[in-house]
Amino acid sequence: DAGVIQSPRHEVTEMGQEVTLRCKPISGHDYLFWYRQTMMRGLELLIYFNNNVPIDDSGMPEDRFSAKMPNASFSTLKIQPSEPRDSAVYFCASSLPGGALTDTQYFGPGTRLTVL
Amino acid sequence: KQEVTQIPAALSVPEGENLVLNCSFTDSAIYNLQWFRQDPGKGLTSLLLIQSSQREQTSGRLNASLDKSSGRSTLYIAASQPGDSATYLCAVETSGSRLTFGEGTQLTVNP
Repeated sequence: DAGVIQSPRHEVTEMGQEVTLRCKPISGHDYLFWYRQTMMRGLELLIYFNNNVPIDDSGMPEDRFSAKMPNASFSTLKIQPSEPRDSAVYFCASSLPGGALTDTQYFGPGTRLTVL
Repeated sequence: KQEVTQIPAALSVPEGENLVLNCSFTDSAIYNLQWFRQDPGKGLTSLLLIQSSQREQTSGRLNASLDKSSGRSTLYIAASQPGDSATYLCAVETSGSRLTFGEGTQLTVNP
C-alpha cells in the first residue's frame, strides 16, 4: 500500500482565498484524522471520522474550517476564507478498524500551507 | 484537559551513546501511549505503542516504558546512530480516540 496520500504537498495562497486540502487514507482503514502542526501549538487534532461520519470536530478552530468524507477513500479539509494564522502543516492520518484504541495511526506526509 | 510534556526539548549526543527521552502526562486515564518519530518535512512514523495495562515495549534498539499511575513514560535508545536524528513525539490516547501530543524532543546524534 502507498500509505496515506495527501495533496497538495505545498500550498501558498493569499489571505481571503479558499483552500482545499485532500487526503486518501490507507485502504481498509475506518478511521481518518486531520491534524494541524505549528511551532506555537504543536500537533493538534482538528477532527476525526469513523466510517465516513464525523465523530469529534471539537478541535476545528472556527467556522472557516470544514471537513468532509464523502466516501471511504477520500476526505477534504477546507478553509474559507483563509487567514495568515492558518499557516501550518496539516496532516491526515488513518487507522485500522477497531479504532485507535489499540491500533496506531498512520500519518501522511502533510500539506504545508502558507497564507500570505 | 490532558497535557503532555516532553523533556528535554532538544538533545545532542555523540554516536554510540545510550539516551533517554522523557514524557509526562497529567491525566492517567489513558488507553495507550505512543512514541512517534518525525523527520524534517515528513509525517510521523509510529515507533512503539504501549497499552495502558502494559509496562513496556521493545523494538530493536528502542525500549519504551510506561508508569501510568505517575503519568510518565520514557523512550530509551541504545547505541545511538546518526540516523536516529529526528524529532521524537510522545502521544497519549484518551477517550474518543483522541491523541494528545507532546511538543517533542529534537534529537541530534553526531558522528
